[in-house]
Amino acid sequence: KNEVEQSPQNLTAQEGEFITINCSYSVGISALHWLQQHPGGGIVSLFMLSSGKKKHGRLIATINIQEKHSSLHITASHPRDSAVYICAVHGSSNTGKLIFGQGTTLQVKP
Amino acid sequence: GAGVSQSPSNKVTEKGKDVELRCDPISGHTALYWYRQRLGQGLEFLIYFQGNSAPDKSGLPSDRFSAERTGESVSTLTIQRTQQEDSAVYLCASSRDGRYFYGYTFGSGTRLTVV
Repeated sequence: KNEVEQSPQNLTAQEGEFITINCSYSVGISALHWLQQHPGGGIVSLFMLSSGKKKHGRLIATINIQEKHSSLHITASHPRDSAVYICAVHGSSNTGKLIFGQGTTLQVKP
Repeated sequence: GAGVSQSPSNKVTEKGKDVELRCDPISGHTALYWYRQRLGQGLEFLIYFQGNSAPDKSGLPSDRFSAERTGESVSTLTIQRTQQEDSAVYLCASSRDGRYFYGYTFGSGTRLTVV
């Protein structure tokens, strides 16, 4: 079993829909990251969370440390949101390296 | 520099040849990471450099893989006697000092194709 599990693996939505991507992890963490990867491979860091909730534009990320679970929400989705969304955790051992989920491929249709 | 720079952006090599991939981290970032992403798979950790400490090589898949870093600047990932299963996007990331709250900046990656 992977240490970081994401669901769903693939998601297709219509423009305007509310989207939720889930991430569960089984290790102790210092922080959790949500990353966005567009076709072509470039990775952009969306959020880094160690507790609570963060919001940036139409994106909202939440984390429940007790339940070892995080969600990424996209409100009013748009075709330009189509990308792979990756959950990654920074372990509590502070080695610096990230442990990645398998990613969720999101396609938003106009 | 302004971002993490990787070169080349694409590399096609024949099976059995050696390749070198380069990463220029953000100036002042002491932590540098190499990750690999094979087609259809998630990112895998390869190696982590933090300042002058011994690197964490626990993710290197075989002794054909090695990496060096000169001080707190450029890093080179070398793959000897490349195999087809080495085909992947190799991503480099840097961080101010490896502590989680500084976040990470990723390069655009080197797409390696072994034919």
